[in-house]
Amino acid sequence: NAGVMQNPRHLVRRRGQEARLRCSPMKGHSHVYWYRQLPEEGLKFMVYLQKENIIDESGMPKERFSAEFPKEGPSILRIQQVVRGDSAAYFCASSPKGSGNTIYFGEGSWLTVV
Amino acid sequence: DAKTTQPPSMDCAEGRAANLPCNHSTISGNEYVYWYRQIHSQGPQYIIHGLKNNETNEMASLIITEDRKSSTLILPHATLRDTAVYYCIVRVAVGGSQGNLIFGKGTKLSVKP
Repeated sequence: NAGVMQNPRHLVRRRGQEARLRCSPMKGHSHVYWYRQLPEEGLKFMVYLQKENIIDESGMPKERFSAEFPKEGPSILRIQQVVRGDSAAYFCASSPKGSGNTIYFGEGSWLTVV
Repeated sequence: DAKTTQPPSMDCAEGRAANLPCNHSTISGNEYVYWYRQIHSQGPQYIIHGLKNNETNEMASLIITEDRKSSTLILPHATLRDTAVYYCIVRVAVGGSQGNLIFGKGTKLSVKP
């Protein structure tokens, strides 16, 4: 897991607030993936991005969730007006390019909504 | 949905080889078999992947059957730190679903002293 940096590692938000999770991919990686893991459940794909472009957002909830990966800086997963059901571990992963290259994960950001 | 089938749980004695099976009977010719594991409260860790041939690295060996419909991950000398959920994933090599990893439920491996 070395190399993919996520912050914050733990975040507590009150219902209705916004949560921003940041992900810096491994050096040389231009593709970023976000996954969510609800308590006691499996990993669910959310979104796949390359710089300045969303490749696949088929796993993103239709409302309140957005993701970006700007030309400069980390990828951001943004959750607006958080609800208790958003409490989960959010994992970022990166790869040098899409298909065919190994994807490496970060240690995750744990969001707790109170 | 995941395209693989794995037993939900397995036990292994410390120091013994752990053999984790995976069925992927609908695998396509351009799909690799990937293995990841997730130790409790950590991010998924890449272990190994292969297409047709058996593969070995410092962590594990991957044995893929000739018809590619199943595979086995082998941890040669399991330690307590290998206790984790192990995921077998088929992933397209080029094109298709842009290379996403689709996780199933995996196999919970418990290594016991």
